[in-house]
Amino acid sequence: QVQLVQSGAEMKKPGASVKISCRASGYTFTKYPIHLVRQAPGQRLEWMAWINAGNGNTQYSQKFQGRLSITSDTSANTAYMELSSLRSEDTAVYFCARDQGATSFDLWGRGTLVTVSS
Amino acid sequence: DIQMTQSPSSVSASVGDRVTITCRASQDISSWLAWYQQKPGTAPNLLIYGASTLQTAVPSRFSGSGSGTDFTLTISNLQPEDSATYYCQQAYRSPYGFGQGTRVEVK
Repeated sequence: QVQLVQSGAEMKKPGASVKISCRASGYTFTKYPIHLVRQAPGQRLEWMAWINAGNGNTQYSQKFQGRLSITSDTSANTAYMELSSLRSEDTAVYFCARDQGATSFDLWGRGTLVTVSS
Repeated sequence: DIQMTQSPSSVSASVGDRVTITCRASQDISSWLAWYQQKPGTAPNLLIYGASTLQTAVPSRFSGSGSGTDFTLTISNLQPEDSATYYCQQAYRSPYGFGQGTRVEVK
């Protein structure tokens, strides 16, 4: 079954870091880039970064530069996203999504809720 | 960054109606535009890419048009299951921003 399976919900304190996993199955992981998109409560979707799952090349939104790291483990067919120095505004559902080409996202994970609260 | 602006923010229409949603980019993005449908509590679903190419398995009542800075998503023969929020996304240059969304209610 073609799917992206994300890790479970996280609750973190301000200043902490969170690491989310996104495991691909049912297709060749290295053939498609993976993007990270988040959605704060009641807000629009926000693009954060992407990774070439095959060679590990990355690109980040300037907004998250220095605070976000996205990596891939081809042996585990998994992408990882780590966001540091968390603040309350980072409370959101984080989605990973497959790029089928033309930077269009045809396959999405179910999302991981990250709650940042003291 | 390229800004994406959608209108209207919400629309209410009856079954069988035609609904049109507009998306405007702050600069020329050629045909690098995608449309997504999102229902509450779920991930977005790709409807259209390349401004007008219908994604596989998406019903043909969905169509997209436009190029440059102005784009349109049209839902013909509106169905109850089309109740959702619709987002445009520019695919031209990073950061690949989304519009603020248009909520479609089917009466």
